[in-house]
Amino acid sequence: NAGVTQTPKFRILKIGQSMTLQCTQDMNHNYMYWYRQDPGMGLKLIYYSVGAGITDKGEVPNGYNVSRSTTEDFPLRLELAAPSQTSVYFCASSYVSSGGAGETQYFGPGTRLLVL
Amino acid sequence: SQKIEQNSEALNIQEGKTATLTCNYTNYSPAYLQWYRQDPGRGPVFLLLIRENEKEKRKERLKVTFDTTLKQSLFHITASQPADSATYLCALEGSGYSTLTFGKGTMLLVSP
Repeated sequence: NAGVTQTPKFRILKIGQSMTLQCTQDMNHNYMYWYRQDPGMGLKLIYYSVGAGITDKGEVPNGYNVSRSTTEDFPLRLELAAPSQTSVYFCASSYVSSGGAGETQYFGPGTRLLVL
Repeated sequence: SQKIEQNSEALNIQEGKTATLTCNYTNYSPAYLQWYRQDPGRGPVFLLLIRENEKEKRKERLKVTFDTTLKQSLFHITASQPADSATYLCALEGSGYSTLTFGKGTMLLVSP
């Protein structure tokens, strides 16, 4: 199992450009998450998905969009990139049974994004 | 508003000693509390989970306590090794949500 994979590893964007951060998991997990981590700060939840076709906002969703057309993939779209979106982005997944909770999240290696 | 506090200053200890990291929270009633390890340039890795009705959980050299009255969790690494040097994050989950709120983490440095 590759686990959670993310591409690209690093990207520089100009202000106003757009891009998609890719995330794929091969563990057949139903839940997937996107976080951002700024230096010295904890992880902030951007969006999450409880299954294909279902997404919901996290703590800091502004400026981002997501979609979940398959169980495996959960891309994060940045439209009109701004310097405030300079960060490290982590994708994670977990398997949550019906009515369940308290499940481990498995993280990808991260995408480092610099917006200039 | 909900707040999770972890020591922002790095914890420096000598090899062989026990490291104790603290996670305090306010305005929150978590059903679960998790601890993750994060190495520089890498994603967090799960270490331990403890439920609100559990006082203590152990795994090899790791021990977590959870005091819902004090609103505090302590994370202990016994017989610490230089390889334990990393940032440790605590994360709280409310009942029925399956999303985590993370603290900022505490960096642990273990000297030989």
